[in-house]
Amino acid sequence: EADIYQTPRYLVIGTGKKITLECSQTMGHDKMYWYQQDPGMELHLIHYSYGVNSTEKGDLSSESTVSRIRTEHFPLTLESARPSHTSQYLCASSEYGEAGELFFGEGSRLTVL
Amino acid sequence: GQNIDQPTEMTATEGAIVQINCTYQTSGFNGLFWYQQHAGEAPTFLSYNVLDGLEEKGRFSSFLSRSKGYSYLLLKELQMKDSASYLCAVRDGDYKLSFGAGTTVTVRA
Repeated sequence: EADIYQTPRYLVIGTGKKITLECSQTMGHDKMYWYQQDPGMELHLIHYSYGVNSTEKGDLSSESTVSRIRTEHFPLTLESARPSHTSQYLCASSEYGEAGELFFGEGSRLTVL
Repeated sequence: GQNIDQPTEMTATEGAIVQINCTYQTSGFNGLFWYQQHAGEAPTFLSYNVLDGLEEKGRFSSFLSRSKGYSYLLLKELQMKDSASYLCAVRDGDYKLSFGAGTTVTVRA
């Protein structure tokens, strides 16, 4: 059973607001990821981290930022939300190893009005 | 980066077999994964292949040919609960996982 949690699950906010999507995992995984997924569309990697103080941008350009101060915590921040940021954001983690499959959180569905 | 192709939709009858193909092009290869995603939910891990050949896991099997850049997921004895999107994903040398657009499988009674 995967232990990775995201909050909030659903968020509706106005344009220009600053938001932080939280992601925590209790599995001690070094690697963590943020994916963005629009309904019926593919997942796009927007940020990833290989450990504390390590953050990299993914394949899809995003105006969001991330931080990794603790192994278990990988929050994503939007300084000024816009309607184009409306999407589902999925956090995942994995360990090093032969398979190292990703375990996903339940997602944060963001709507910017 | 990766270029991952899989069919958009497939329909099959309960109890039947369905094969979902996936072709990929990658600048570095470090494993191929299949995930299942029900509508409105997060993806869940199904299978992993890093060497050529067939991996069997209950009703689900996955095949990989690295030289052809090809994989398939085989679903046997289909059940209604198997109606979902099936995502092919390729991991590169930097341990980043890129996903295909997914194949929506509809199981009919």
